[in-house]
Amino acid sequence: ETGVTQTPRHLVMGMTNKKSLKCEQHLGHNAMYWYKQSAKKPLELMFVYNFKEQTENNSVPSRFSPECPNSSHLFLHLHTLQPEDSALYLCASSHRGDLAKNIQYFGAGTRLSVL
Amino acid sequence: AQTVTQSQPEMSVQEAETVTLSCTYDTSESDYYLFWYKQPPSRQMILVIRQEAYKQQNATENRFSVNFQKAAKSFSLKISDSQLGDAAMYFCAYRGTNEKLTFGTGTRLTIIP
Repeated sequence: ETGVTQTPRHLVMGMTNKKSLKCEQHLGHNAMYWYKQSAKKPLELMFVYNFKEQTENNSVPSRFSPECPNSSHLFLHLHTLQPEDSALYLCASSHRGDLAKNIQYFGAGTRLSVL
Repeated sequence: AQTVTQSQPEMSVQEAETVTLSCTYDTSESDYYLFWYKQPPSRQMILVIRQEAYKQQNATENRFSVNFQKAAKSFSLKISDSQLGDAAMYFCAYRGTNEKLTFGTGTRLTIIP
């Protein structure tokens, strides 16, 4: 296990549900990331938080709402999702600001299925 | 924008043999890092090896080594003495001065016993 934990591991939800994904890092990093991994596509960066401040939003639909209460925790709140949102959602953390130390460590992901 | 290309969607190798996974990238930057990540069926993305563009010496981590050709913008991963536990998806990734990772589409490696 790396120091990045994601829950739940699997999630099935209907299009009208509201759910949240959780990520926690124990590595003392100052940046956290959400990625979407779909079959046969490169990982897509969704959001970046640096010291709890959102620094990147890659044109993600508003039905995905991130929250970073502190530098160790990251949430992704989901509501009124579409079937095409079904994917593996990966969280990562790193030490930003030092190119030599900025290595991203990943969690095991949440497999999301939208029915 | 930077791009990363992995032209081999799938590769297979006999156990104990050597296999090389290819990766090319496109960038106008001179200072950057390149990475190989491994994603086994457990889904955890694990860092295998990294290379700084300014270092001419190829990185090595035990059975894993890279062939970094900066002028050709090529960054291949060699796995020696392949083991069953090496079976996974392997992703090549680029990180430039904006500190964002750009990934390739991955290569699925199968180890044949």
